[in-house]
Amino acid sequence: GQNIDQPTEMTATEGAIVQINCTYQTSGFNGLFWYQQHAGEAPTFLSYNVLDGLEEKGRFSSFLSRSKGYSYLLLKELQMKDSASYLCAVSPFSGTYKYIFGTGTRLKVLA
Amino acid sequence: GAGVSQTPSNKVTEKGKYVELRCDPISGHTALYWYRQSLGQGPEFLIYFQGTGAADDSGLPNDRFFAVRPEGSVSTLKIQRTERGDSAVYLCASSFFELPSSGNTIYFGEGSWLTVV
Repeated sequence: GQNIDQPTEMTATEGAIVQINCTYQTSGFNGLFWYQQHAGEAPTFLSYNVLDGLEEKGRFSSFLSRSKGYSYLLLKELQMKDSASYLCAVSPFSGTYKYIFGTGTRLKVLA
Repeated sequence: GAGVSQTPSNKVTEKGKYVELRCDPISGHTALYWYRQSLGQGPEFLIYFQGTGAADDSGLPNDRFFAVRPEGSVSTLKIQRTERGDSAVYLCASSFFELPSSGNTIYFGEGSWLTVV
């Protein structure tokens, strides 16, 4: 089967750093994606990892360890607008965007 | 268009009725995907098209669900004999081609919120 686990909810303070973890067990692996989704809006792409290591993009970084089936999304210098759900998704199948999504982590940023 | 456009944005229908949800992908995108997202859950894959053909419809829950993309652009998701359990947000996404990579981002529409009463 396919399974992706991430925490349901997290709370952090404006200006702080937060790490959102994701573990996965899938039949195959062709990349891991992080999406941000504000309530009532479309998911928007944040990052893509296919090789082990850290990918940095401004305030957001994403890490992947394929041997451990583990990824995290790191958000630095948190802003109120970062309050959203963060979706971890794995593409188990070669050549398609047939993602398996986690249930999402709802992040609340407090002033 | 500038982004993936979905209509209607909201639809309330009675149990047993037929519903059509439309997706207009970004111009030039050959790959089109339908996902369904229930409250508090992540999106769940339904079907994807490469061009006009349904390359993978393994996520459609049963034969009440059907999707078409006759000219390789606009797609319609059709739900027959709707049930209360069909209530969800139906998300459409598109990309230039199939292969996932950081240079080939998948773009989601705002979704069609379906409520079956």
